[in-house]
Amino acid sequence: DIQMTQSPSSLSATVGDRVTLTCRASQSIGRYLNWYQQKPGKAPKLLIYLASSLPSGVPSRFSGSGSGTDFTLTISSLQPEDFATYYCQQSHSSPPTFGQGTKVEIK
Amino acid sequence: QVQLQESGPGLVKPSGTLSLTCAVSGGSIDSSHWWTWVRQPPGKGLEWIGEIYQSGSTHYNPSLKSRVTMSVDKSKNQFSLKLSSVTAADTAVFYCARGFTSGSEYYFDYWGQGTLVTVSS
Repeated sequence: DIQMTQSPSSLSATVGDRVTLTCRASQSIGRYLNWYQQKPGKAPKLLIYLASSLPSGVPSRFSGSGSGTDFTLTISSLQPEDFATYYCQQSHSSPPTFGQGTKVEIK
Repeated sequence: QVQLQESGPGLVKPSGTLSLTCAVSGGSIDSSHWWTWVRQPPGKGLEWIGEIYQSGSTHYNPSLKSRVTMSVDKSKNQFSLKLSSVTAADTAVFYCARGFTSGSEYYFDYWGQGTLVTVSS
């Protein structure tokens, strides 16, 4: 299985901050990387697919980049509704695997 | 707008079989997508359990393969999960989701709200 490692595990930030989350794959996965946002008690929500594509309805302050083994999710200006846990997921090979998550908390 | 809704017992005895169903509305299960189960132990991360296509073709996580069975019921527009020989380690919130596939794209775009299944005597 491809192992996905996210860093940091958690971070504290203020509304308006630029925030960057990192995801590393244990082997090259091309651009087959998706990001999800999960709020407490809720299902994950797709944020980014194929490393940098935004689904319809996702705010443009979210962006993704990277290829191969190293990927980033950037929130350009953190909003109150963005405090959540973020997971990366590789879709390069089966089984699809998720990172352990990065929790974004209010400073 | 596609909606998914999980249903099933919230409590299962150790060594028993966990059975869940996911009802799909706003779209047909008889479409070119993979219907997926994902679980999340309390306070932990997400684990892909497996997926089923409308034809009945399945892919399971090797870590669970010996205990997992998935099925699809087109007449009811729903799909199901059975996980046998459960232990306390199987306690989790179980989500059903749609696996969208198109060309090189593969992601989970619609999710159910999740259902907590506790394994306890």
